[in-house]
Amino acid sequence: GAGVSQTPSNKVTEKGKYVELRCDPISGHTALYWYRQSLGQGPEFLIYFQGTGAADDSGLPNDRFFAVRPEGSVSTLKIQRTERGDSAVYLCASSGGTSGSFDTQYFGPGTRLTVL
Amino acid sequence: QQPVQSPQAVILREGEDAVINCSSSKALYSVHWYRQKHGEAPVFLMILLKGGEQKGHEKISASFNEKKQQSSLYLTASQLSYSGTYFCGTRPQGGSEKLVFGKGTKLTVNP
Repeated sequence: GAGVSQTPSNKVTEKGKYVELRCDPISGHTALYWYRQSLGQGPEFLIYFQGTGAADDSGLPNDRFFAVRPEGSVSTLKIQRTERGDSAVYLCASSGGTSGSFDTQYFGPGTRLTVL
Repeated sequence: QQPVQSPQAVILREGEDAVINCSSSKALYSVHWYRQKHGEAPVFLMILLKGGEQKGHEKISASFNEKKQQSSLYLTASQLSYSGTYFCGTRPQGGSEKLVFGKGTKLTVNP
């Protein structure tokens, strides 16, 4: 079956602009995670959804970052007033399928965000 | 809170073995190992749960020492395809399902 998909694959924006990043999890997965990865670093947790609700948003760096998952499937990460420091690869992962380990998180290919 | 991985980098010749270590200061519920190639998504290798260990691949295995809060990933008879950066992700006991990742270990396998 299809894996986690993310769009766009690349996004270039100007400082101060608003961006939306989309994640389509593996079908049937109830949990969805957003991570951010800077060059040479491991993924850094941002927010985790169980169903439609945010179960843990402790990793969001400030109130410019917001994420939604209104129907418990697709999620959108929204960043307002982008700053150059927001440039990174934004990774989405999902877990909770019917086969394999329930806890396993499967990652999408990421969206590379560049803020000029 | 971030787990510490060692070594930071390792270079092997094809067929050689390697061990990558992951150490946490917190009591752990599980340890997750991933491999990431340049420009690609992290690929799940295996998960080790409190109270046991799980072998994910034939020549790649791992151990989890709960008392020491450490995990090690063993790569035997390395192949060129093993090259990449290996990350451990840790889930603390009593915490949410988020993973806290180390900085990674870059493995290069040469012919």
